[in-house]
Amino acid sequence: KAGVTQTPRYLIKTRGQQVTLSCSPISGHRSVSWYQQTPGQGLQFLFEYFSETQRNKGNFPGRFSGRQFSNSRSEMNVSTLELGDSALYLCASSSGLAGIEETQYFGPGTRLLVL
Amino acid sequence: AQSVTQLGSHVSVSEGALVLLRCNYSSSVPPYLFWYVQYPNQGLQLLLKYTSAATLVKGINGFEAEFKKSETSFHLTKPSAHMSDAAEYFCAVSDRSDYKLSFGAGTTVTVRA
Repeated sequence: KAGVTQTPRYLIKTRGQQVTLSCSPISGHRSVSWYQQTPGQGLQFLFEYFSETQRNKGNFPGRFSGRQFSNSRSEMNVSTLELGDSALYLCASSSGLAGIEETQYFGPGTRLLVL
Repeated sequence: AQSVTQLGSHVSVSEGALVLLRCNYSSSVPPYLFWYVQYPNQGLQLLLKYTSAATLVKGINGFEAEFKKSETSFHLTKPSAHMSDAAEYFCAVSDRSDYKLSFGAGTTVTVRA
């Protein structure tokens, strides 16, 4: 089975621009979660989507948004980029079935640099 | 909210020595607990997980962890370190009703020849 894939792997943007990151989950997985990893704040949960609905949300400003498509692929968008948005953005997928112990499988990440 | 604390941001061990990484969680109800490893420029790879089936959990690459409710701990060990174990290790927790992982700050392991 193919793992979680994320595109692009690397991205350079300037302040004020917006960016869209893509994540394709493991086949059959319906839940996709996004995390931001920075040296200062570590790994922080952004949001989770299940069956095209946002099911859980972390403590990030509204500039961070996401969506999920019917094939479970997910996109994350960051508008009006700030220098502090430079980070590794990780996507994780799981089956998402309630009541069953879950393991999240991570993709390789997209490294975003904001200049 | 669930949280985990990893004691020690850096651990240095000799090749062949015991690796011990400490993780304590805060929860009144035993949560799900995980250890992930991250190699440079890569995503996170699951080492092992605790979901209440057994307190001693065996994972990949010779790692294991023991869940101790009385100590609210989930420490990771490996009897004999290998050079390939050099990486950053994260302890993570989620409760049983959502799928949000809360991560510790991470412990970087270096292995001396």
